[in-house]
Amino acid sequence: AQSVTQLGSHVSVSEGALVLLRCNYSSSVPPYLFWYVQYPNQGLQLLLKYTSAATLVKGINGFEAEFKKSETSFHLTKPSAHMSDAAEYFCAVTTPTGTASKLTFGTGTRLQVTL
Amino acid sequence: DAGVIQSPRHEVTEMGQEVTLRCKPISGHNSLFWYRQTMMRGLELLIYFNNNVPIDDSGMPEDRFSAKMPNASFSTLKIQPSEPRDSAVYFCASNVAGGLLDTQYFGPGTRLTVL
Repeated sequence: AQSVTQLGSHVSVSEGALVLLRCNYSSSVPPYLFWYVQYPNQGLQLLLKYTSAATLVKGINGFEAEFKKSETSFHLTKPSAHMSDAAEYFCAVTTPTGTASKLTFGTGTRLQVTL
Repeated sequence: DAGVIQSPRHEVTEMGQEVTLRCKPISGHNSLFWYRQTMMRGLELLIYFNNNVPIDDSGMPEDRFSAKMPNASFSTLKIQPSEPRDSAVYFCASNVAGGLLDTQYFGPGTRLTVL
């Protein structure tokens, strides 16, 4: 079975400050990991994904995440927060199933950006 | 290019009524996923199809829920009879199931309220 745990359901940062959203995974086989963002009243949009190549993955909007096998973590970071980053962020994991990519999502972290 | 299209965007109905949610995946995608999002349970996978065939419906909550995919460009999720606890946002997503790294593209969701 696979799962992800997102630590902190709400995170608040000041504009210009570092963003750090935490995600830890559990998987019996090498996982593939994703970060999605959901803006209010919209569907989910892919930010980045770990594909077992480079452990540091760069995504859209200046976000990046680092896969650390020893820590079973895939934390999302951005050096400088912008007001437009306010949204809910979901970490997700998938493992080989054969025919399609079945994602298991975390419970989400709501990011608030203040002036 | 058009993304995943869902209709209706909002649905308000009374307990006991039949509800049908519709989804048009991105042209060329051969996998389709139905998710439900609630505050209590987060984002849950209900069912997914590959090449119009249901692969895993273990997330469907009970017999009141059914999903069909009669062709590659259309899917429905039906709830009959509906109950207040079915109130949620229902998302459809699609991708090309060529491998585990394929990004799932989400529709904007249908917000269902059962009174």
